[in-house]
Amino acid sequence: SQQGEEDPQALSIQEGENATMNCSYKTSINNLQWYRQNSGRGLVHLILIRSNEREKHSGRLRVTLDTSKKSSSLLITASRAADTASYFCATDYSGTYKYIFGTGTRLKVLA
Amino acid sequence: EPEVTQTPSHQVTQMGQEVILRCVPISNHLYFYWYRQILGQKVEFLVSFYNNEISEKSEIFDDQFSVERPDGSNFTLKIRSTKLEDSAMYFCASRGTGNQPQHFGDGTRLSIL
Repeated sequence: SQQGEEDPQALSIQEGENATMNCSYKTSINNLQWYRQNSGRGLVHLILIRSNEREKHSGRLRVTLDTSKKSSSLLITASRAADTASYFCATDYSGTYKYIFGTGTRLKVLA
Repeated sequence: EPEVTQTPSHQVTQMGQEVILRCVPISNHLYFYWYRQILGQKVEFLVSFYNNEISEKSEIFDDQFSVERPDGSNFTLKIRSTKLEDSAMYFCASRGTGNQPQHFGDGTRLSIL
């Protein structure tokens, strides 16, 4: 299976704390992306990290990629209530045109 | 910022009927995709489309499904003889060339009765 898996499945933190989500995948990739999905809404692209990159930042988001372990992590610093959403990783497998999404982490930030 | 738009936002259809879900990708994008998400489950790849033909399709995308780019702007997903289990959110996505991210629309919620 090429499916990605995120952990934890659910995460509940206080506003101001950091949230870390992890994603694992199975075969070699071109890139890996993180998306956010608010309940009942579409997928919002957060960060794309290429297979030759190890770390990327965007505002309060930090993504790392370890291709030797086939894993990635998304760190949200100084979380806000508005960060409450589901977060998915999606992998673009080498030689394919499709993205495989992980199972997602449901993040709840308590005010 | 340009965005992918999908219509309708919600479609209710009787089982056995045909539905067409519509998408307008970002104008300079060349790669187009359909995904679905059954309530509470992960996003599943259905099909990718490039240069007026299907590039890849999943096992979900059987003869019941078809895609079309009827003009220079629309990208449609047709589901023939709908079944109850086709009820889901259907997302359209597009991307440009190179190692660029896919941009998603807000989805069409399809409810089969």
